[in-house]
Amino acid sequence: SQTIHQWPATLVQPVGSPLSLECTVEGTSNPNLYWYRQAAGRGLQLLFYSIGIDQISSEVPQNLSASRPQDRQFILSSKKLLLSDSGFYLCAWVPRDRVHEQYFGPGTRLTVT
Amino acid sequence: AQSVAQPEDQVNVAEGNPLTVKCTYSVSGNPYLFWYVQYPNRGLQFLLKYITGDNLVKGSYGFEAEFNKSQTSFHLKKPSALVSDSALYFCAVREEEYGNKLVFGAGTILRVKS
Repeated sequence: SQTIHQWPATLVQPVGSPLSLECTVEGTSNPNLYWYRQAAGRGLQLLFYSIGIDQISSEVPQNLSASRPQDRQFILSSKKLLLSDSGFYLCAWVPRDRVHEQYFGPGTRLTVT
Repeated sequence: AQSVAQPEDQVNVAEGNPLTVKCTYSVSGNPYLFWYVQYPNRGLQFLLKYITGDNLVKGSYGFEAEFNKSQTSFHLKKPSALVSDSALYFCAVREEEYGNKLVFGAGTILRVKS
């Protein structure tokens, strides 16, 4: 079966520290992958998407970066966190055979202090 | 650019009563519309989608949605609400630019009271 994992589930980091959030998908190959951020428990904003290894597109300029070192691995990073980076980060994937459906991971709650 | 609007910040309904969560859309071309549900501190769960075909779309957990082209609406419905349906609901439209990303509405909190 196809599953998506995110870790860590929760993270508390001080301002100025680095960040690495990981997302992996199992049971599929060559999926489209996405990072979204949900602020204040409501609206979702697309941060990055990837259609393949080392193919990353950014939706909006920000303090974050993304990488896809392997087909089913998508990493969200920052060199120096800002308070405004706090939020709920969701990874999502689209299977190649069901391009009209997007599935989300369990999310990572990031609090920057 | 595609967009969706959810005009209600919160919807309250009694258990056993029908529920409707509203969504209107603005798209160029054919709309690809979705509903997702989110429980506290959880990821989004896919409920249903409209791509083409019948205007009434049936989805998970007894939910359905009605696509209305003339009113540019895609309201989520359920004939009989359960307390366990209480959650945050998102309407979304697919944006073919930017890798088929989803553009989400602001979300509607559904509270079902027993």
